[in-house]
Amino acid sequence: DAGVTQSPTHLIKTRGQQVTLRCSPKSGHDTVSWYQQALGQGPQFIFQYYEEEERQRGNFPDRFSGHQFPNYSSELNVNALLLGDSALYLCASSLAPVWDPNYGYTFGSGTRLTVV
Amino acid sequence: DQQVKQNSPSLSVQEGRISILNCDYTNSMFDYFLWYKKYPAEGPTFLISISSIKDKNEDGRFTVFLNKSAKHLSLHIVPSQPGDSAVYFCAASVSGSEKLVFGKGMKLTVNP
Repeated sequence: DAGVTQSPTHLIKTRGQQVTLRCSPKSGHDTVSWYQQALGQGPQFIFQYYEEEERQRGNFPDRFSGHQFPNYSSELNVNALLLGDSALYLCASSLAPVWDPNYGYTFGSGTRLTVV
Repeated sequence: DQQVKQNSPSLSVQEGRISILNCDYTNSMFDYFLWYKKYPAEGPTFLISISSIKDKNEDGRFTVFLNKSAKHLSLHIVPSQPGDSAVYFCAASVSGSEKLVFGKGMKLTVNP
């Protein structure tokens, strides 16, 4: 049973460029959340997708956008990259938007984005 | 403004002893709390959660205690094992919200 898979694992981009990160949720899950983890910090909520719509959004600018496909996989897009966008981007999945207290969210291993 | 705080960045304990990881929060609206463990190059793994209507939840070697009046929770690991060495994150959530608010994490090292 595959867990949450994210691609790519590492990425280097130049300031001003655009990037797309991908996530496939755990089998049986239909909800995808994205988190940004800067060095030395805890993960910060970016947004969540359910039924192909953005349900909730954290304090991130519009440069961060996403999409969910009918097969529940998701993409995170970041435009006009800044040096400060360098971070580990984590995808988390669950069955239905509100996490189960017995299981929490299931996280992927993340995509390490470096902006130079 | 950090709503969830893990004030100690690291903890080192001997195998077999108790590990106590602390977490404080400022938002009184939080009513669910979770602990995650993270190994290098892996995503966070869910450990245990507690609802604000309880003051203790136990799962095997892991016990979480919640003190609502002090806005404080702690994770106890007994006995600690070398495989428990990881970064531990405390997270909180408001009922009905999908968003988790994480602390900065604490690195636990369990020495054989």
